[in-house]
Order: sequence, then C-alpha cells, then structure tokens
Amino acid sequence: QSALAQPPSASGAPGQRVTISCSGSRSNIGSNSVYWYQQLPGRAPKLLIYNNDQRPSGVPDRFSGSKSGASASLAISGLRSEDEGHYFCAGWDDSLRQSLVFGPGTKVSVL
Amino acid sequence: EVLLWESGGGLVQPGGSLRLSCGASGFPFDDYAMTWVRQAPGSGLEWVSTISGSGVVTYHADSVKGRFTIFRDNPKNTLFLDMNSLRVDDTAVYYCARNYAGAPDHWGQGTLVTVSS
Repeated sequence: QSALAQPPSASGAPGQRVTISCSGSRSNIGSNSVYWYQQLPGRAPKLLIYNNDQRPSGVPDRFSGSKSGASASLAISGLRSEDEGHYFCAGWDDSLRQSLVFGPGTKVSVL
Repeated sequence: EVLLWESGGGLVQPGGSLRLSCGASGFPFDDYAMTWVRQAPGSGLEWVSTISGSGVVTYHADSVKGRFTIFRDNPKNTLFLDMNSLRVDDTAVYYCARNYAGAPDHWGQGTLVTVSS
C-alpha cells in the first residue's frame, strides 16, 4: 500500500480540464516537495512538475501543480488525446529512513 | 541533450545475481545524484536506490536493502546496480534516472529483469 493516495482514474472530453489529487502525510508531501510524472503507453516516465508547481523546460503550461498541507494536485487544462496515459505523484518520505515514494498512479482517459 | 541508456537486464533464476549498467551523456555526470526506479509488469513505479554525485551517500528501499547495491564510476559516466539474491517479485523494468531538484528528471528507456525458474 502506497504512502501516497491517488484516484485510479480520471477522464474528460478534449479541451476540458482534469484535476488529479495526491494525498499524503506530514512525513512526505506535508514537509517535502511534490513531483508529478506522466507515463504514456510503452514509454518511460517524464517529469511534468517539480518542487510542487515548477515546470521543466518544454512542458506545456497546460500542466500545473499545486500543494496545500499534505495534499497536492495536478491540473491538465485543454485536454488533448495525446494526454492519455498514467500520472504519478511522488515525494520524499522522512519517516524511519529517507525513501522516495510514488503514488499508485491515475489513468487519464480522453473521452 | 541528456541521454541515459540501461543495459544488463535479462532472465535469471531465483537466488541469482545480475548487474545493471546505465551510461550517461550530455551533462556533467558527477554533479548529479542518480536513481534507479523499477516498474513491475502492469504496475506502478517503485523507487529502488539513489546515490549522490560523489557516490559517497546512498539510499536503498527497504525491499532491496542488503540485496541490491547502487554505485557509480564517475570517470566513465556510468551508474550501476548490483542485484543479489533475486526474487520473483524483483521482476520489473528497471529505469535509471538523473536527479534534479531532488527527484528523477531525465529517464532512460529501461531494461527488463525477469526472475523465474
């Protein structure tokens, strides 16, 4: 069972906005940065958001991240068919010993 | 351009050993911490190990502690993962990744490790 919780699925029509939640605890995203990854079918993961709300160069501004307390969210606006895939949140957990924890992932479908 | 490429995966029997390698180019290798992440078939991502740029500091997940060792050869721009006492549940695609701002940013394409008799 993951230390981070995500909904198993989310969906929206092209052009709509989809939001994915990531719920953790004080020992992980409550006190450390949140990262978001996109994994398209058959591909390696790609970093979308780091330090809660920062986008690496090349990531469209349709993707945005936010964090409040021990919860975070990823929003995808202007949904496109090529956005279909899995999205994972991640963060360092300081309980017992340091470990990088991933959420179970959310499958995003474009209707 | 940052490039990472893994090698060394394959089929191994339970209890066996394997060494994964990850070549890197396009960035000053010893300036960056590096990480291994694995993904079992049809499953999510699982962090395995992280090593500092100098190689002095390492972290391992509880699931592999005492069995896997991460290390690096900075002059050769290569990251390694020594895997011993392999179990069926170690079967996964293993990705190497460069760390930026505390977590993996650039990832390789992965190498498949299958543990089966």
